Amino acid sequence: ILNVEQSPQSLHVQEGDSTNFTCSFPSSNFYALHWYRWETAKSPEALFVMTLNGDEKKKGRISATLNTKEGYSYLYIKGSQPEDSATYLCAFMNTGGFKTIFGAGTRLFVKA
Amino acid sequence: DGGITQSPKYLFRKEGQNVTLSCEQNLNHDAMYWYRQDPGQGLRLIYYSQIVNDFQKGDIAEGYSVSREKKESFPLTVTSAQKNPTAFYLCASSIDSGNYEQYFGPGTRLTVT
Repeated sequence: ILNVEQSPQSLHVQEGDSTNFTCSFPSSNFYALHWYRWETAKSPEALFVMTLNGDEKKKGRISATLNTKEGYSYLYIKGSQPEDSATYLCAFMNTGGFKTIFGAGTRLFVKA
Repeated sequence: DGGITQSPKYLFRKEGQNVTLSCEQNLNHDAMYWYRQDPGQGLRLIYYSQIVNDFQKGDIAEGYSVSREKKESFPLTVTSAQKNPTAFYLCASSIDSGNYEQYFGPGTRLTVT
């Protein structure tokens, strides 16, 4: 059974704080790692698609890194804003098939 | 506007009844997916379809059925055999079943009493 774990489960920060959270996934048969942001009352939206070990992607104040050899990815948010409040999901794809395995998410609350 | 729609947003059914959840996309995507979300858990894959007239079971397919007669449509039927059908259901699509981001619908919350 493939397991994708995200930590922490939830996080409360003040506006302006920088924060990061972790996604752990199986290190064998890696194909891709996706990050999604899911705001309340909206649909999940893709942030990053990462495929190569050592990949680093950035979108505005949000960035992500990938280590496929040890099976983890970090998502960083610099200078958190209230509009960053959402659940951040990571999703792992392996070479054995085309199914996507999602983690349970990290719920971020940014207080103004 | 291109997108993926699900209807209805909320659905209530009595135990023992089958119910069908709608999912439509106009993104011209080949692949479509159904997920279920329960509190404290990640999205779990119920069924996916890589192309029209083809679909495969995901991790929790028991008690569910799907069809993919048209590229745009991937309805999910929750049958009376599904032991715990009350959940939030999300439909998604992607260009194909390779390494492409998925686009999600707004979800349907099903309550069975």
